[in-house]
Amino acid sequence: SQKIEQNSEALNIQEGKTATLTCNYTNYSPAYLQWYRQDPGRGPVFLLLIRENEKEKRKERLKVTFDTTLKQSLFHITASQPADSATYLCAQGTGRRALTFGSGTRLQVQP
Amino acid sequence: GAGVSQSPSNKVTEKGKDVELRCDPISGHTALYWYRQSLGQGLEFLIYFQGNSAPDKSGLPSDRFSAERTGGSVSTLTIQRTQQEDSAVYLCASSLVSTGRDSNQPQHFGDGTRLSIL
Repeated sequence: SQKIEQNSEALNIQEGKTATLTCNYTNYSPAYLQWYRQDPGRGPVFLLLIRENEKEKRKERLKVTFDTTLKQSLFHITASQPADSATYLCAQGTGRRALTFGSGTRLQVQP
Repeated sequence: GAGVSQSPSNKVTEKGKDVELRCDPISGHTALYWYRQSLGQGLEFLIYFQGNSAPDKSGLPSDRFSAERTGGSVSTLTIQRTQQEDSAVYLCASSLVSTGRDSNQPQHFGDGTRLSIL
């Protein structure tokens, strides 16, 4: 079955640095990958979507890459701020319209 | 409001009781999804609605779980004879319909119902 793997360990970085989160997938090759942010006690919030024929997508301080050879997506937050502290989820469609989510990576930005 | 609304936000019940969870999607979103999230875990897909029909209910863990959607809008997830392993946050999301072979529409989530079975 399809699996999305994210580093389950928390990522701690210093304010102002670039945070890089990794998402790896197996088996099925998705046409799209989506990234979401989830704060404690809240539902996930959509951030970015990248298509398989796009190498890179940017939105303000966020950048997502999609490498279909490595079966990997990287999510970058530049000039990170304490307010960026949250859990970030990678997700892909699996042909049935619902999304398969990774377990998320918790980011902690220290002031 | 403009977002997805879920109720109740919290539900505590005794083992063996039935519970109903409600989801009000964003107006105009024909696709609706239910997910379950256990503590520290990722989201587990339960069921997908397109309009009032459920073309994919493969994620429902047992026949104690059922869901319906009426008027292409409100959806209710029902869990009968609740068990302790049903304790989790139940999340609802809605979206426009995806085109192509994969999901390419952002999903908009409610804040979930936190279900605790004593």
